[in-house]
Amino acid sequence: DADVTQTPRNRITKTGKRIMLECSQTKGHDRMYWYRQDPGLGLRLIYYSFDVKDINKGEISDGYSVSRQAQAKFSLSLESAIPNQTALYFCATSETGGWGYTFGSGTRLTVV
Amino acid sequence: SQQGEEDPQALSIQEGENATMNCSYKTSINNLQWYRQNSGRGLVHLILIRSNEREKHSGRLRVTLDTSKKSSSLLITASRAADTASYFCATGGISNFGNEKLTFGTGTRLTIIP
Repeated sequence: DADVTQTPRNRITKTGKRIMLECSQTKGHDRMYWYRQDPGLGLRLIYYSFDVKDINKGEISDGYSVSRQAQAKFSLSLESAIPNQTALYFCATSETGGWGYTFGSGTRLTVV
Repeated sequence: SQQGEEDPQALSIQEGENATMNCSYKTSINNLQWYRQNSGRGLVHLILIRSNEREKHSGRLRVTLDTSKKSSSLLITASRAADTASYFCATGGISNFGNEKLTFGTGTRLTIIP
């Protein structure tokens, strides 16, 4: 099993729908992150959490919300999806005091 | 806005040649990291260099860091077809705790021609 698992892998949804992307990890890391990737723009940080009680906005949090249900689980929600939220979404984890991130395989989201 | 920008945006070389990618960043950093992404997949951490280091090696990878120029380079020697991927630099802010949230660049798309 992957260290960081994202579900679903692919999702097509309609404008205005609420959708949740889920991330779970077996690394035992405290820190978790949600990024989105768009062609030519690299990865941009949406939200991050340094522990279960800590949630922080990233650079592009508008239109998104998150929930840290447990140390191992960090979910991203789009309350009312819009087409410009079509992107590849990545969850990542890291260890407090550590260095490199571990990424999930991504969720490809299409909003029509 | 992006902290890091990679140059070139795309690079194609023959198998066996060396590949060099550059990253420039804007603000003071604690560390700089390089990641590889195979098409549509998650990023994989390759190597980290701290702000007080100038050069680091890992296998066929060589990373340099020039904090006075706010730039880094990644050299892949003796390239292989399996090195075909996108490469991203990521910078971490000033902190005593390591791994503060990273800011990623826009990436270099490397293609190795067999």
